[in-house]
Amino acid sequence: DAGVTQSPTHLIKTRGQQVTLRCSPKSGHDTVSWYQQALGQGPQFIFQYYEEEERQRGNFPDRFSGHQFPNYSSELNVNALLLGDSALYLCASSLANGVLNYGYTFGSGTRLTVV
Amino acid sequence: SQQGEEDPQALSIQEGENATMNCSYKTSINNLQWYRQNSGRGLVHLILIRSNEREKHSGRLRVTLDTSKKSSSLLITASRAADTASYFCAQRAKAAGNKLTFGGGTRVLVKP
Repeated sequence: DAGVTQSPTHLIKTRGQQVTLRCSPKSGHDTVSWYQQALGQGPQFIFQYYEEEERQRGNFPDRFSGHQFPNYSSELNVNALLLGDSALYLCASSLANGVLNYGYTFGSGTRLTVV
Repeated sequence: SQQGEEDPQALSIQEGENATMNCSYKTSINNLQWYRQNSGRGLVHLILIRSNEREKHSGRLRVTLDTSKKSSSLLITASRAADTASYFCAQRAKAAGNKLTFGGGTRVLVKP
């Protein structure tokens, strides 16, 4: 049973460019959350998608947007990249009716470097 | 700023010793979770403790929760070199929907 799959593993972009990161949730999970983790810090919540809609959003600017597809996979898009967007981007999947009793399953992340 | 804080920020122990790390948080929670992260890669879920539970065990892991003090601790007994990792606590706060709020983590080094 595959866990959460993220692609690409690593990415280097130039300031001002746009980037799209992809995530396939664990089989059977219907909810996808995205987190940004700067070096040496804990993950910060970006947003969560359920039933193809953004259900909750963290304190991130509108440059960060996302999408969830009917097969529950998800994309994170970041426009007008800044140097400060360099981080590890983590996708986590879960079951909507299990959040009180079960933890999240995280992917291995996408390491984004903005130069 | 983050919801919780782990203490200590870093911990170095010998193989076979116990490792204890603490987590404090600020608001009422539905549950608190502990995760492990190796070398800046993905997080692995270790254990979840609900707000009405006080202690939980999983293998060599023991988690306690004190909601009156808004704190939790993770104990790893008989540590192994493979336990070397960063450990994060994450809260699912009652007023925060489904998001998890992470602390800054404790970096644990287990020396063989």
